[in-house]
Amino acid sequence: EDKVVQSPLSLVVHEGDTVTLNCSYEVTNFRSLLWYKQEKKAPTFLFMLTSSGIEKKSGRLSSILDKKELSSILNITATQTGDSAIYLCAVPTDSWGKLQFGAGTQVVVTP
Amino acid sequence: DVKVTQSSRYLVKRTGEKVFLECVQDMDHENMFWYRQDPGLGLRLIYFSYDVKMKEKGDIPEGYSVSREKKERFSLILESASTNQTSMYLCASSTGLGYTFGSGTRLTVV
Repeated sequence: EDKVVQSPLSLVVHEGDTVTLNCSYEVTNFRSLLWYKQEKKAPTFLFMLTSSGIEKKSGRLSSILDKKELSSILNITATQTGDSAIYLCAVPTDSWGKLQFGAGTQVVVTP
Repeated sequence: DVKVTQSSRYLVKRTGEKVFLECVQDMDHENMFWYRQDPGLGLRLIYFSYDVKMKEKGDIPEGYSVSREKKERFSLILESASTNQTSMYLCASSTGLGYTFGSGTRLTVV
């Protein structure tokens, strides 16, 4: 059975802190790993990772995949209150786009 | 700008009612999905569709059905709403490479 596990489930940090979110997976045919950010509405796409060891960056957010460890991390540096959200990790389980999601990590950034 | 539109942002229904959640996409995507999202459980797949009139059960299909009569529209039906179906419902469409989500419908069954 395909499985995606995220940790921690929630955390509270102060503005300016650095946050590291973890995602581990067990899937039959691994293709890629996706990160999404969800505020009040629809999840919005952050990163798609396919190759091990190659960091993807977007502003203060970065992510890297470790296929040997079957895991990925999402880093947020110099956090701001606007980073408060649920961060979702997901892995496609077939070639048509069906996704297995983790439970998400709720991040709260306090001023 | 590509869009997935869910007809209602918030709904309150009574136990036993038949409930329709509508989702329309304008991207000509073949694949459409319905998920429910609950705290601590993430998004769980209810049903999906790879083509018109085609449907497949996801991980938690019990108590739900779907309809896809046209490519752009994928409807989720709660045959007889129950309180344990109170949740956030998210629709998505995909080409297989990228997902676009709707804004979600927060359904409360009383």
